[in-house]
Amino acid sequence: EAQVTQNPRYLITVTGKKLTVTCSQNMNHEYMSWYRQDPGLGLRQIYYSMNVEVTDKGDVPEGYKVSRKEKRNFPLILESPSPNQTSLYFCASRNRGAGVGGETQYFGPGTRLLVL
Amino acid sequence: QKEVEQNSGPLSVPEGAIASLNCTYSDRGSQSFFWYRQYSGKSPELIMFIYSNGDKEDGRFTAQLNKASQYVSLLIRDSQPSDSATYLCAVRYSGGGADGLTFGKGTHLIIQP
Repeated sequence: EAQVTQNPRYLITVTGKKLTVTCSQNMNHEYMSWYRQDPGLGLRQIYYSMNVEVTDKGDVPEGYKVSRKEKRNFPLILESPSPNQTSLYFCASRNRGAGVGGETQYFGPGTRLLVL
Repeated sequence: QKEVEQNSGPLSVPEGAIASLNCTYSDRGSQSFFWYRQYSGKSPELIMFIYSNGDKEDGRFTAQLNKASQYVSLLIRDSQPSDSATYLCAVRYSGGGADGLTFGKGTHLIIQP
């Protein structure tokens, strides 16, 4: 089954304790992204990657890091989480190019993070 | 600042009626336009995308694009209670990043049985 998986799905942590949210896709997609979703603010892109070892900042990158060492994986790293990073996080992937195959962006199930 | 605007709702529509969802965008260089459906606590799911001015139909859904007015809409015919969800409009801007997708904040649609 074609899918994007994220782990963990739920996480409660404390300020300053480093954490990693994993993301993996099995569709051989080149493009991967991380978004956060907050009430009243909608979905905002944190980071994206166009291919292995190619990453760039989205609209709200502060406080986050990413890496893309393998095509299928795109982990999101919070080196020193703060309460304002409490949010619902989505990983997404899509193929390169336009058309039905390229435009369909697949989202993971989401990770709900609470930073105390 | 590239913006996508939607009325947050809630938009309440009787079952069987047509639900009309609207979206405006700020950048005339925008290339592609998307409608996603998101159930509470779930991930967004692509319903339709449209590139060209005019209408695009898929089953009960019709997307409409008017680039001159910078306006995108989604019509849902024969609305069902299962259509109750938040609908996100997204725009892909030219020169954007891997996605270059900017999302609106969504319209909460309620279909009344």
